[in-house]
Amino acid sequence: QKEVEQDPGPLSVPEGAIVSLNCTYSNSAFQYFMWYRQYSRKGPELLMYTYSSGNKEDGRFTAQVDKSSKYISLFIRDSQPSDSATYLCAINMEYGNKLVFGAGTILRVKS
Amino acid sequence: NAGVTQTPKFRILKIGQSMTLQCAQDMNHNYMYWYRQDPGMGLKLIYYSVGAGITDKGEVPNGYNVSRSTTEDFPLRLELAAPSQTSVYFCASSTTGLNTEAFFGQGTRLTVV
Repeated sequence: QKEVEQDPGPLSVPEGAIVSLNCTYSNSAFQYFMWYRQYSRKGPELLMYTYSSGNKEDGRFTAQVDKSSKYISLFIRDSQPSDSATYLCAINMEYGNKLVFGAGTILRVKS
Repeated sequence: NAGVTQTPKFRILKIGQSMTLQCAQDMNHNYMYWYRQDPGMGLKLIYYSVGAGITDKGEVPNGYNVSRSTTEDFPLRLELAAPSQTSVYFCASSTTGLNTEAFFGQGTRLTVV
């Protein structure tokens, strides 16, 4: 079983739609949860970061963590064509130097 | 600040050749990392360094070597290139480890033929 599972998509939505991106993980020792966004032919950049269960909001983006289910989500409201990218979940242990990435979900927002 | 700079951006190698992928950061970060990214596979950690003179293996170190003689530079050496090393390589750096934001370079696309 992979440590982190993420549906690679692609996910295609119309402009203005609410997007839900998800990852599941297997190790309950994971405590830090991040979402990275990667535009085509660019390096990943950090989008959201949380270390607790619950929701964290930043503008149109909401990160949700459910540790009991080992499930993390990223919601994008009022999606824009500029949101078209690959979204990677990344998970780490409390003192780990090994950031485990999901496969990444390709998102396409059509105008 | 330039951030994390990787060179070259593209390279084609023949089987058995060697090369060094360069990585430099100007943010005075102690931690540096090398990842490879294959389609649909996410990023896999090859090697990392927590400071000058200190390196350690990640998940997929075979076929690679690293050195860290300065805080700024973290080159990745490929010896005896193989087709399985065809990938996109990313260098990253962070202040105190991967529980803080990691800054990535633009990547090096390597093809081994």
